[in-house]
Amino acid sequence: GQQVMQIPQYQHVQEGEDFTTYCNSSTTLSNIQWYKQRPGGHPVFLIQLVKSGEVKKQKRLTFQFGEAKKNSSLHITATQTTDVGTYFCAGHPGGKLIFGQGTELSVKP
Amino acid sequence: DTAVSQTPKYLVTQMGNDKSIKCEQNLGHDTMYWYKQDSKKFLKIMFSYNNKELIINETVPNRFSPKSPDKAHLNLHINSLELGDSAVYFCASSPRLAEGTDTQYFGPGTRLTVL
Repeated sequence: GQQVMQIPQYQHVQEGEDFTTYCNSSTTLSNIQWYKQRPGGHPVFLIQLVKSGEVKKQKRLTFQFGEAKKNSSLHITATQTTDVGTYFCAGHPGGKLIFGQGTELSVKP
Repeated sequence: DTAVSQTPKYLVTQMGNDKSIKCEQNLGHDTMYWYKQDSKKFLKIMFSYNNKELIINETVPNRFSPKSPDKAHLNLHINSLELGDSAVYFCASSPRLAEGTDTQYFGPGTRLTVL
């Protein structure tokens, strides 16, 4: 079936280091959404990217949508302990929203 | 005011029992969903309702029966609970089902443990 693949599954960083998670689809996505789930919490919408090559920033977070609209990335600059959680991408390879497996980020102070 | 609420937050029950989870949204959204999140945090859609009409039913065992009395409510009833049903169940809503308008607003989740 249609899948949205996300890597890595886990990432452990030292506070202050950068972090990136990648999302890939075998088919073109009409748009991609990113969510963050804090430990014990629920997924919370962060952003949606629609245009080919689009780049959006939210403070230390940078979101990119690939030129072919098949991949996306989330980059966090200078991680803080408040960044811990699982980051999910979710895309539309055709008709319905499909979530990636998520990347669990832990930050060591 | 909580936008998407679920009850109960925790549910511990024996194998073979029947249980229900309730969900309500006060966002005025047209579409509601049920997701299952397993121990590896994988989020899998189970059902989607648009204005009380079932739209998505993702190969879920027929022991799971959703019911939407109105577009603000989507309940999930589970018959004959099995060990593998243990998971966190999230309710979500979105303004509409169409691509680009389906930003998901999740409820706090219901942690179901089947013993």
